[in-house]
Amino acid sequence: NAGVTQTPKFQVLKTGQSMTLQCAQDMNHEYMSWYRQDPGMGLRLIHYSVGAGITDQGEVPNGYNVSRSTTEDFPLRLLSAAPSQTSVYFCASSYRSGMGTEAFFGQGTRLTVV
Amino acid sequence: GENVEQHPSTLSVQEGDSAVIKCTYSDSASNYFPWYKQELGKGPQLIIDIRSNVGEKKDQRIAVTLNKTAKHFSLHITETQPEDSAVYFCAASTSNDYKLSFGAGTTVTVRA
Repeated sequence: NAGVTQTPKFQVLKTGQSMTLQCAQDMNHEYMSWYRQDPGMGLRLIHYSVGAGITDQGEVPNGYNVSRSTTEDFPLRLLSAAPSQTSVYFCASSYRSGMGTEAFFGQGTRLTVV
Repeated sequence: GENVEQHPSTLSVQEGDSAVIKCTYSDSASNYFPWYKQELGKGPQLIIDIRSNVGEKKDQRIAVTLNKTAKHFSLHITETQPEDSAVYFCAASTSNDYKLSFGAGTTVTVRA
């Protein structure tokens, strides 16, 4: 059972380049989300999706696009990379238990923009 | 929206001592409070959670307490061990919402 798989694990981009961070889950979860993690700022929500064909903006969406064509995949696109997008990116898929929402995170993608 | 504050940002404890991390939240509608542990090079993983109709919950060496009136909740780790060294995040949400609002994280170091 793979859970949430993110690729690549590391990436270096030049300013202005574009790229797609891949995320796939095999748990049939409806909800998927992308976070960025920066020192002292915790996990900030970039975009999220409540099901195939439905996406919405989170707290810090500027400079990023997402799409959700299938339940399993939720790629994050950087349109024109900027140094401010240097960060560690986490994809998560979630389900609602009787308690609340449990999120399962991927291993992360460490992105450096030079 | 929900705002979650977490303190301290770093915590160093002697092996065998206790560690306490505190969080406050702003939205009185929040009723679900999970804690996540992130080990080096990995994604965060849920370790314990609590709903607002419960004041305390324990799971072996970890416990969480909630004061809904004061809007704060805490993580307690007793008899700390080297494998407890990690970054811990608190979070808050409502039970009918998928979105989680995270605190800034606490880096816990357990000294041998």
